[in-house]
Amino acid sequence: EVRLVESGGGLVQPGGSLRLSCSASGFTFSIFWMHWVRQRPGEGLVWVSRIYGDGTATDYADSVKGRFTISRDNAKNSLYLEMNTLRAEDTAIYYCARAGDTTNFRAFDIWGQGTVVTVSS
Amino acid sequence: DIQMTQSPSSLSASVGDKVTITCRAGQSISDFLNWYQQKPGKAPKLLIYGASNLQSGVPSRFSGGGSGTEFTLNINSLQPEDFATYYCQQTYSTPRTFGQGTKVEIK
Repeated sequence: EVRLVESGGGLVQPGGSLRLSCSASGFTFSIFWMHWVRQRPGEGLVWVSRIYGDGTATDYADSVKGRFTISRDNAKNSLYLEMNTLRAEDTAIYYCARAGDTTNFRAFDIWGQGTVVTVSS
Repeated sequence: DIQMTQSPSSLSASVGDKVTITCRAGQSISDFLNWYQQKPGKAPKLLIYGASNLQSGVPSRFSGGGSGTEFTLNINSLQPEDFATYYCQQTYSTPRTFGQGTKVEIK
């Protein structure tokens, strides 16, 4: 079964750090772009970051650039999001998602169940 | 960044109705437009990719159309399980941007 499972969310104080993980199974992890998407309470989906299959290319939303770092360990079939200098507005559910190639127009075809990050004092 | 605008933001419909949701892109995105369904407390689910291609396992009452800057998601004969929020997304350029969502509610 193709599956993504996030972990690492929790309650953190403003200015603190957190590392999210996403464990992949059921597919060849190393050949896919992987993304993080977040959803603030009661709001819509917002793209956060992406990383190329071999980890050599990354991109970030302006709102997290310089504070968040995406990485992956293909030997462990795992994706990560290191989040530093967290703000209240980073409070959200964080989803990891697999992106297909141009044959499926790079759509996000597999999603994890999400992990909740709450930034509050 | 490419802005994606959905309309309406919400709608009420009855079981059996046909529903159309529109998504407009701030610039041409060719066919790099995808539709997702999200139910409360659940992750989004891919319905349509490349504007008009039905994802495997998705019922045929869902269909998509359009190209360039204007796109539609149609749901023929709305079923009880279709009441959810629907998002469009462009994957033409980075950042990948989503529409604000359309909530389909029971009339």
